[in-house]
Amino acid sequence: GAGVSQSPSNKVTEKGKDVELRCDPISGHTALYWYRQSLGQGLEFLIYFQGNSAPDKSGLPSDRFSAERTGGSVSTLTIQRTQQEDSAVYLCASRQRQGYGELFFGEGSRLTVL
Amino acid sequence: QKEVEQNSGPLSVPEGAIASLNCTYSDRVSQSFFWYRQYSGKSPELIMSIYSNGDKEDGRFTAQLNKASQYVSLLIRDSQPSDSATYLCAVNINFGNEKLTFGTGTRLTIIP
Repeated sequence: GAGVSQSPSNKVTEKGKDVELRCDPISGHTALYWYRQSLGQGLEFLIYFQGNSAPDKSGLPSDRFSAERTGGSVSTLTIQRTQQEDSAVYLCASRQRQGYGELFFGEGSRLTVL
Repeated sequence: QKEVEQNSGPLSVPEGAIASLNCTYSDRVSQSFFWYRQYSGKSPELIMSIYSNGDKEDGRFTAQLNKASQYVSLLIRDSQPSDSATYLCAVNINFGNEKLTFGTGTRLTIIP
């Protein structure tokens, strides 16, 4: 696609429910990143993929968080048993070339846990 | 010590003046450095990238990198109200690791 596409753009869920957030990167971009941004805060790194593998998943806050990428393209971030502190904007970005080059961000998925 | 540190601001600068934004990082082997601009409610967008010591200029923007002192800065000349945003510094902390670490951002306000 022309840009990084994320869905849903907004998600309201009840505490304890599971949610899935989807990211469709720019075609041909091999690296894909997930970040979390809470209100008024900076970007918190969660995980990145190179192809389908995740060399660094050190930022995942707990074992309730998981992510996968298939076919070197679409990625899904899953949050199980959501908690109120999970409320944030989840940003996905993709990058064309290893080590250099900019990250292109999607518009984010705003998650609200009631 | 945080991996990437920025003064959170807010930083207020009169229109037409130079805005100076600073960022320090902890890992000496960091290789790639980026400045992103984020308007309220929007996603970050790249302003400048810099990989070598010295200055890099692009229009009204100049990025400065000093690896010995482990800091990178962004200068905005002839500041405009449209420059009002949060500026995020990002660093590839570890060589060979594609993880890009962001600072918490500096909120810049240009006063007309």
